[in-house]
Amino acid sequence: SQKIEQNSEALNIQEGKTATLTCNYTNYSPAYLQWYRQDPGRGPVFLLLIRENEKEKRKERLKVTFDTTLKQSLFHITASQPADSATYLCALDGGSQGNLIFGKGTKLSVKP
Amino acid sequence: DVKVTQSSRYLVKRTGEKVFLECVQDMDHENMFWYRQDPGLGLRLIYFSYDVKMKEKGDIPEGYSVSREKKERFSLILESASTNQTSMYLCASRGRPTGELFFGEGSRLTVL
Repeated sequence: SQKIEQNSEALNIQEGKTATLTCNYTNYSPAYLQWYRQDPGRGPVFLLLIRENEKEKRKERLKVTFDTTLKQSLFHITASQPADSATYLCALDGGSQGNLIFGKGTKLSVKP
Repeated sequence: DVKVTQSSRYLVKRTGEKVFLECVQDMDHENMFWYRQDPGLGLRLIYFSYDVKMKEKGDIPEGYSVSREKKERFSLILESASTNQTSMYLCASRGRPTGELFFGEGSRLTVL
């Protein structure tokens, strides 16, 4: 069955550094992949979508890569700030009526 | 802005009670979803609907049912609540098959 893994449950970094989060998947070839941010007690909020024919996507301080050979997406936040502290979820196209399959998330903490 | 509204942020119910969780979206989206989120398990899909009166089982439908009588409203029903259904429930909607999900704020259900 399809499996999606976010390698780190938690990631602690210093303010100003680049945070890199990893999302790996197996037994599937998704047409696209999405990243969401979730703050405690709130619903996830969409950040970026990247399609299988795109290698890289950027939005302000965010960058996402998608390597269909490695079956991996990397999510980067440059010049990280304490306000970037949150849980970040990756999600794959589930292939069925618009369903998405979510990873368990990585909790990012940015220390001042 | 798309708004997805869940009827209750916090509910406390007793074992065996019938529970209704309501979700309304205001952007005429075709697809609507119910997820539950538990620590260490991530977001798991319970049911989704791609049209009025249509429903599809997700990964964990047991113990739940849904209703979609109107396009904007998708209800999750627990016929007889059990303690293992204590969780955060998240509703989402989606306008395009490859578009992002818009989530509600979540309903935290405690079953005693």
